[in-house]
Amino acid sequence: TQLLEQSPQFLSIQEGENLTVYCNSSSVFSSLQWYRQEPGEGPVLLVTVVTGGEVKKLKRLTFQFGDARKDSSLHITAAQPGDTGLYLCAGAPTSGTYKYIFGTGTRLKVLA
Amino acid sequence: DTEVTQTPKHLVMGMTNKKSLKCEQHMGHRAMYWYKQKAKKPPELMFVYSYEKLSINESVPSRFSPECPNSSLLNLHLHALQPEDSALYLCASSQETGSAYEQYFGPGTRLTVT
Repeated sequence: TQLLEQSPQFLSIQEGENLTVYCNSSSVFSSLQWYRQEPGEGPVLLVTVVTGGEVKKLKRLTFQFGDARKDSSLHITAAQPGDTGLYLCAGAPTSGTYKYIFGTGTRLKVLA
Repeated sequence: DTEVTQTPKHLVMGMTNKKSLKCEQHMGHRAMYWYKQKAKKPPELMFVYSYEKLSINESVPSRFSPECPNSSLLNLHLHALQPEDSALYLCASSQETGSAYEQYFGPGTRLTVT
């Protein structure tokens, strides 16, 4: 069974601080998506990483896919209150089922 | 445009009621999904439709009945639900099924079963 563990589970930081969220698995994924979800809303796709070692930037957010395509990280620089939300990684299996494997989630709160 | 719409936004229903959730996308996507999300948990896949045909049912109880009337619409018919079915129900779509295609989610329907 493929699992995606995210760490930390919860994070409360002050505005302006930097943070990194990790998404780890023992399985290989063909691609990995990162989503942000606000309470009572659906997940919003932030980025998709496909190639091992790939780095993508989205304003203050930097996403990296591990060389072996088993893990990923999300780094936020100078966090803002608007970054508050649930961050979910979701891995697409390499073969067979096309059922996304969702990570356990990281709940981020940025205090003004 | 990467918008998936869902109605209603909120739904309260009794255990003997019949109701339906609706989902619509106009991105030309041929794969559509229903997910269930409990509080503070990641979404759990319920059903997958590919080219308007049901391709995955994740052992969902028969009180949930999906329907895909056309390539843009996806319904979830609800009947005789239990209080533990209260959750956020999310619809998603992708260009096709398969790991190469990103899923886009709707805003969800918050369902409360009383």
